[in-house]
Amino acid sequence: NAGVTQTPKFRVLKTGQSMTLLCAQDMNHEYMYWYRQDPGMGLRLIHYSVGEGTTAKGEVPDGYNVSRLKKQNFLLGLESAAPSQTSVYFCASTLFSGENTEAFFGQGTRLTVV
Amino acid sequence: AQSVTQLDSHVSVSEGTPVLLRCNYSSSYSPSLFWYVQHPNKGLQLLLKYTSAATLVKGINGFEAEFKKSETSFHLTKPSAHMSDAAEYFCVVSDWAAGNKLTFGGGTRVLVKP
Repeated sequence: NAGVTQTPKFRVLKTGQSMTLLCAQDMNHEYMYWYRQDPGMGLRLIHYSVGEGTTAKGEVPDGYNVSRLKKQNFLLGLESAAPSQTSVYFCASTLFSGENTEAFFGQGTRLTVV
Repeated sequence: AQSVTQLDSHVSVSEGTPVLLRCNYSSSYSPSLFWYVQHPNKGLQLLLKYTSAATLVKGINGFEAEFKKSETSFHLTKPSAHMSDAAEYFCVVSDWAAGNKLTFGGGTRVLVKP
């Protein structure tokens, strides 16, 4: 019963390098999200998807791109990493959009950009 | 726009004493509210959610929260703290009418002293 799985769990990048974070869920959820967590700021929404083939910007989308080619996967890309993107990244999913719908979170990816 | 304010960034309690974590929210319509807990270097776990069926909500591990519409508050309490309650707690409001986007408070870090 995997739930939401993120890979990798840790990564160190040099400024200007690119990388892709993978989120996979096995619950047949329609909605998927990428958040970043920074001290004292809670989690902030980067991008989200309301279904396969659709994506939308969240609160802090600059410097990131996403794709949802398959319903179960949501990819977060950094084309040219910057030190300001050092953070812990969380993926989440929900079954549908509705009152009191619970979000399920992955274990997080700790990214350091040097 | 929705917003969440957690009134204390840190709370320190002695084991066996009550815990109170304060949360105020702003929402233009009937909110969906949640409390999540994050233990060190772990993902987020749902503690409880407001379902609109009852204003007093019971969650896991002895936690409960009371929804007060007139005060726009959703404070989290536990009668007797345990060492395992040391963690960071997030109050969250969901924009369920628009993609279930979650807005997080800044978090309250709980320290439990023996």
